[in-house]
Amino acid sequence: RKEVEQDPGPFNVPEGATVAFNCTYSNSASQSFFWYRQDCRKEPKLLMSVYSSGNEDGRFTAQLNRASQYISLLIRDSKLSDSATYLCVAYAGNNRKLIWGLGTSLAVNP
Amino acid sequence: NAGVTQTPKFRILKIGQSMTLQCAQDMNHNYMYWYRQDPGMGLKLIYYSVGAGITDKGEVPNGYNVSRSTTEDFPLRLELAAPSQTSVYFCASSSMDEQYFGPGTRLTVT
Repeated sequence: RKEVEQDPGPFNVPEGATVAFNCTYSNSASQSFFWYRQDCRKEPKLLMSVYSSGNEDGRFTAQLNRASQYISLLIRDSKLSDSATYLCVAYAGNNRKLIWGLGTSLAVNP
Repeated sequence: NAGVTQTPKFRILKIGQSMTLQCAQDMNHNYMYWYRQDPGMGLKLIYYSVGAGITDKGEVPNGYNVSRSTTEDFPLRLELAAPSQTSVYFCASSSMDEQYFGPGTRLTVT
């Protein structure tokens, strides 16, 4: 089992839709989690950090369920510019190393 | 504040050639990382450093070497380039859990 697993998608949604991604992690000792966004052939950029039960930033909400060991990302009112790959990441707990998921691809269509 | 910078942006190498990928950060971060990302694949950690003078192997260190003589710089050396090293290379730095990435170096070995 991969340490961080994501549905690769692609998710194809119309503009204005609400879309949610889930991510599961295997290391119950992981304390912090992140969602990064990666545009095609560009570097990953930090979208949100999740240290407790959840975090919200505008149209984006992340939730953490420690009992079931999953993190979710909800995007409301999708924009064309939200089209990207979303990477779920868990802090490994040693030497600031992160465990990266393979990403979920989102395409927002006009 | 430039963040994390990488040079060169693109490079084509012949098999057996050597090169150094440069990475610098101006955020005074102790932790620095080198990743590679093959097309359609996730990030793989090559080497990381927890501070000047200290480096350690990641998941895929074979064929690479690093050094960390200053807090700011973390160069990655390829000694004998092989086609399997064709990839996009990202450098990242962090002070806490969140990592910040440079724009990447696209390397082709033919």
